[in-house]
Amino acid sequence: DIQMTQSPSSLSASVGDRVTITCRASQGIRNDLGWYQQKPGKAPKRLIYAASSLQSGVPSRFSGSGSGTEFTLTISSLQPEDFATYYCLQHNNLWTFGQGTKVEIK
Amino acid sequence: EVQLVQSGAEVKKPGESLKISCKASGYSFTSYWIAWVRQMPGKGLEWMGSIYPGDSDTRGSPSFQGHVTISADKSISTAYLQWSSLKASDTAIYYCASLPVYDKPWWDYWGQGTLVTVSS
Repeated sequence: DIQMTQSPSSLSASVGDRVTITCRASQGIRNDLGWYQQKPGKAPKRLIYAASSLQSGVPSRFSGSGSGTEFTLTISSLQPEDFATYYCLQHNNLWTFGQGTKVEIK
Repeated sequence: EVQLVQSGAEVKKPGESLKISCKASGYSFTSYWIAWVRQMPGKGLEWMGSIYPGDSDTRGSPSFQGHVTISADKSISTAYLQWSSLKASDTAIYYCASLPVYDKPWWDYWGQGTLVTVSS
């Protein structure tokens, strides 16, 4: 099984801050990774697919990078609506979610 | 428009059985994997297992195998998640989702979630 280690588990940031979240895979997964945002009471919404492709309709302040075992989600300038929990999901071999990163207001 | 519509919230007692559903529309149901994802109260997303309705091939997470059954009825484009004996620890929101795969990374659709509460 592929394990996904996501960090940090939580972070506090201010509006306008640059935020970076990382996922590390236990083995190489090419670029078979997506990033999701989840707000309370809602289903997850995908932001990034294939590690670095922006989902249609998602603001350009979100970006993804990485390949193989190391992946990063960056929010270039945090907006009030971005306070949420973020997850990575690998789909190279079955599916595995990261543990999640809760982005809170500082 | 692709849609996954899940059955409504359930309240059950420990030991009871339950089957929840996920009806797909707007795409070829038999051509894409359908997954079930658990979210316990205040916790993260966990992939439970997936089924390929075209041939009923089923893959599951070791954490859930033996406790739940995933099935699909392609005649009505509906996937199911079933328990034969619920525990209090099964209390969670369960999402069905048609998740991306290696050759279809752009594909990703989610149901609205079904809240299952197990309490005596």
